[in-house]
Amino acid sequence: GAVVSQHPSRVICKSGTSVKIECRSLDFQATTMFWYRQFPKQSLMLMATSNEGSKATYEQGVEKDKFLINHASLTLSTLTVTSAHPEDSSFYICSAQGEETQYFGPGTRLLVL
Amino acid sequence: EDQVTQSPEALRLQEGESSSLNCSYTVSGLRGLFWYRQDPGKGPEFLFTLYSAGEEKEKERLKATLTKKESFLHITAPKPEDSATYLCAVRNAGNNRKLIWGLGTSLAVNP
Repeated sequence: GAVVSQHPSRVICKSGTSVKIECRSLDFQATTMFWYRQFPKQSLMLMATSNEGSKATYEQGVEKDKFLINHASLTLSTLTVTSAHPEDSSFYICSAQGEETQYFGPGTRLLVL
Repeated sequence: EDQVTQSPEALRLQEGESSSLNCSYTVSGLRGLFWYRQDPGKGPEFLFTLYSAGEEKEKERLKATLTKKESFLHITAPKPEDSATYLCAVRNAGNNRKLIWGLGTSLAVNP
């Protein structure tokens, strides 16, 4: 139980394009999902909290117009990196809030050329 | 300010050599302390939740304990497949369900 999927697992794009990442809770419903970013050999950095049916809450310093989050259903949240630049290259991980704790997806490696 | 500190930063063990990882925390109203395991290039995998001092939980070679100031993750007779980064996080009394993370302990178990 408590399985979270992410798609795609890896994406390479050109600078200036937009990239959408999907996060799905496969066997449970999640009113709250979280989006993290992780740099090499560093811990998780929370970007935003996504609540089903309402606007996402962004952490300080995270541009909401650049990182668009949509939580359209109880099992799906999407993160769109708009007008991506090389500095947006990173490992993006989502999690879904279960009964006990957050359950994480496998992550998406984004490389912007 | 709520804070989580993990030590050591890195640990190298021989197979079968038991040890402990530490997670010290300061939090306003603990609503749970969480241990995760993360393999390179993957998302964290949930291990344990502890809620109150004195609580213990076990899973295979891992045992987590909790006091009012810290948690230990004891690894008994580790195997190479236990090599990973172990992350500790806490949740405070706020209602936003966010986790406050430590920087992790990178564990390498040599055969």
